[in-house]
Amino acid sequence: ETGVTQTPRHLVMGMTNKKSLKCEQHLGHNAMYWYKQSAKKPLELMFVYSLEERVENNSVPSRFSPECPNSSHLFLHLHTLQPEDSALYLCASSQDGGPENTDTQYFGPGTRLTVL
Amino acid sequence: GENVEQHPSTLSVQEGDSAVIKCTYSDSASNYFPWYKQELGKGPQLIIDIRSNVGEKKDQRIAVTLNKTAKHFSLHITETQPEDSAVYFCAAVNDYKLSFGAGTTVTVRA
Repeated sequence: ETGVTQTPRHLVMGMTNKKSLKCEQHLGHNAMYWYKQSAKKPLELMFVYSLEERVENNSVPSRFSPECPNSSHLFLHLHTLQPEDSALYLCASSQDGGPENTDTQYFGPGTRLTVL
Repeated sequence: GENVEQHPSTLSVQEGDSAVIKCTYSDSASNYFPWYKQELGKGPQLIIDIRSNVGEKKDQRIAVTLNKTAKHFSLHITETQPEDSAVYFCAAVNDYKLSFGAGTTVTVRA
């Protein structure tokens, strides 16, 4: 256990559905991250939040909408997704997401998303 | 942006032998280099890391070396065991961002 939990672990949705992924960290960290992991591709950073403010949006399509209500919780709201969005979505947290961040990032187990 | 290349993509070793994975990075401003191990159905787990002011770090059977001049770093696993079978990722950190290599699937044969 890394102290980062994600729900649901598996999700199947149609292209017209709206769903949300949830991440919670129990480490007292100030920064949280969303990554996308597709087969045979490096992990891709999607969003970074530091002290509940978004500090990075890595050119992610607007059908992915993050929300960070507090430093312990992070959501990824999904709507009108495409089949190519099927992937493992990983959440991570670190002590500080500030500039020149060299803090260790701790990952959750991921949500396996399938878009039909 | 940072570009991290990782080789090999797959590695099969006999139990007890050593495994070496190599990574190169492009941005000389990167200053932190973690290695992650990902087992099936789990998220990546940090196994060792090295910062730019250090050339080598060891933790039991795992060691990492860093050559900042050449911009490459390597993971060495000695006396491999079946539980070392997993996907290993190198990464470089520069300005918030963790840029990952594509991963190496390591299989330890009994």
